[in-house]
Amino acid sequence: RKEVEQDPGPFNVPEGATVAFNCTYSNSASQSFFWYRQDCRKEPKLLMSVYSSGNEDGRFTAQLNRASQYISLLIRDSKLSDSATYLCVVNGNAGGTSYGKLTFGQGTILTVHP
Amino acid sequence: DGGITQSPKYLFRKEGQNVTLSCEQNLNHDAMYWYRQDPGQGLRLIYYSQIVNDFQKGDIAEGYSVSREKKESFPLTVTSAQKNPTAFYLCASRQIGTLSPLHFGNGTRLTVT
Repeated sequence: RKEVEQDPGPFNVPEGATVAFNCTYSNSASQSFFWYRQDCRKEPKLLMSVYSSGNEDGRFTAQLNRASQYISLLIRDSKLSDSATYLCVVNGNAGGTSYGKLTFGQGTILTVHP
Repeated sequence: DGGITQSPKYLFRKEGQNVTLSCEQNLNHDAMYWYRQDPGQGLRLIYYSQIVNDFQKGDIAEGYSVSREKKESFPLTVTSAQKNPTAFYLCASRQIGTLSPLHFGNGTRLTVT
């Protein structure tokens, strides 16, 4: 099983749609979770951190399910500008030698069309 | 302005040559990372360092070497032993801490022919 796994998509949705991505991770001791957005041929940029209780930032909601070992990202009222690749990131064992290791999923491609 | 600087943006080399990619940060971050990205793929971890004079192999360290002599700098050498070196290389840094995210440089596109 891969350390971090995402559905690569692509997801093609109309403007205004709600879309959700999941990201599963294999290390039950992981403590840090993030969602990044990457535009074509650019560096990834932080979209949001994922907190244990879940968190929201405008149209974006991130959730963590420790029991099933996945994080999710929900985008409401999709805009054309949301078209990008969305990457999840998970760290290694808290307190272990791999604590600083941050592993990316392969990314989910989202295209929002008019 | 604080940030991470990678240079050069584009780099071309002949097969068999070693090449060093520069990464400098002025964010006073403890940890630094090198990732590789191939077209249509996610980011794969090459090496990371959490403290000066110490670093750990990532998932694809073969054919690469790093050094961390200063907190601000984490250069990556792509050696001739790396079989498929053409890729987009991204350097990142973060403060040590559970909720500290990665901050990325603009990346270096390396083409080896």
